[in-house]
Amino acid sequence: QMQLVESGGGVVQPGRSLRLSCAASGFTFSSYGIHWVRQAPGKGLEWVAAISYDGSDKYYAESVKGRFTISRDNSKNMLYLQMNSLRAEDTAVYYCARRGESGSHKWFDPWGQGTLVTVSS
Amino acid sequence: QSALTQPASVSGSPGQSITISCTGTNSDVGGYNSVSWYQQDPGKAPKLMIYDVSNRPSGVSNRFSGSKSGNTASLTISGLQAEDEADYYCCSYSSTSTYVFGTGTKVSVL
Repeated sequence: QMQLVESGGGVVQPGRSLRLSCAASGFTFSSYGIHWVRQAPGKGLEWVAAISYDGSDKYYAESVKGRFTISRDNSKNMLYLQMNSLRAEDTAVYYCARRGESGSHKWFDPWGQGTLVTVSS
Repeated sequence: QSALTQPASVSGSPGQSITISCTGTNSDVGGYNSVSWYQQDPGKAPKLMIYDVSNRPSGVSNRFSGSKSGNTASLTISGLQAEDEADYYCCSYSSTSTYVFGTGTKVSVL
């Protein structure tokens, strides 16, 4: 079955960097755009970034633009999120999610289980 | 970009119907038929319930339905059941090629 598994979360000091990974299986990874969505503790969902199926197009939320970089390696079925200049407000569970299968494709399914990033000194 | 506006909480008795609203602008909800809805249990990943305003994925109960009028989308849960207690989020594609989520609604079954 389709599966996304995030990893790489942890505790990091403000101003430092961290790279998240998302391993995909059960579908043709290279055919789908993928998103990162985050959720701060006790808060709502926030869309973070997206990358097209071939990596040629990338999109970012204003809150992370210039600090985060989304990338993918289709030979390894892997998605990445390089997070630089981390701030306390970046503390969240980070989910990767595949773009929708049909219709507008502008929806998310499936989702990974999430990985927690804590930015704290 | 501001989050879409949802009521903080909605409640109903078993068997009743409830509706969750999701209000945006002409640049997101009103401009595209790309509104989706997600159910989230505590500590779990979100689950897709509705896509493209009113389409239900396979495996999702037909008690869940979606609609849109102008800048406001709605999710209706009919025949409310205890298992429907969860947080619900709407999401819309926006004119800046990004996505915006709603503020979230906690559904309680009395």
